Amino acid sequence: QLHLQESGPGLVKPSETLSLTCTVSGGSISSVNYSWGWIRQSPVRGLEWIGTISYGGITSYNPSLQFRVTISADTSKKQLSLTVTSVTAADTAVYYCARTYSGFADLGFWGPGTQVSVSS
Amino acid sequence: QPVLTQPPSASGTPGQRVTISCSGSTSNIGGNTFSWYQQLPGSAPKLLSYGTNQRPSGVSDRFSGSGSGTSASLAISGLQSEDEADYYCAAWDYRLTAIVFGGGTHLTVL
Repeated sequence: QLHLQESGPGLVKPSETLSLTCTVSGGSISSVNYSWGWIRQSPVRGLEWIGTISYGGITSYNPSLQFRVTISADTSKKQLSLTVTSVTAADTAVYYCARTYSGFADLGFWGPGTQVSVSS
Repeated sequence: QPVLTQPPSASGTPGQRVTISCSGSTSNIGGNTFSWYQQLPGSAPKLLSYGTNQRPSGVSDRFSGSGSGTSASLAISGLQSEDEADYYCAAWDYRLTAIVFGGGTHLTVL
């Protein structure tokens, strides 16, 4: 059974870089049939798609975040990574990683999420 | 302001059928398939419906998605207490080149 688990620092200082990891078990992350995404959720902004990495390392980012975000995959470790640079309080959210179920926008498998707070 | 518009709340009694709406535009719901998610308190969203009206394996047939023009709907039949949750619609927006979500509808089972 596919299992996703996010991990990373719970607290990041303003202007610093946020780095999160998603560890996948029970399945491959290099299948041509699926893509892997990062989504965040906050009371102010609701659910917000950050970006997706597809087979061959092809990435798509939310235009509102594209200049601060990088998503990568390490297939040998079965891990996905998310970095967000120059964070502000607006980046405080629960961050989720997810895998598509069928189409690009159908996120069928989610990790439990990890809370990230940006504060000095 | 979310790109997709949902009513903030909905309610129903056990056994009843309720419908949650989601309004978009030609660049998202009107031009693409859409999805519905259920989020229980303290949990990650769960995919209920995709490709307009398909259900993932294991999702009850009490949940059904539909669409017309630039609007989408999620119908829940035989309402149960465990259906009390937040429900979100989502779609790819080709103008914004992003997956966009609705603001969510909190369903209360009275």
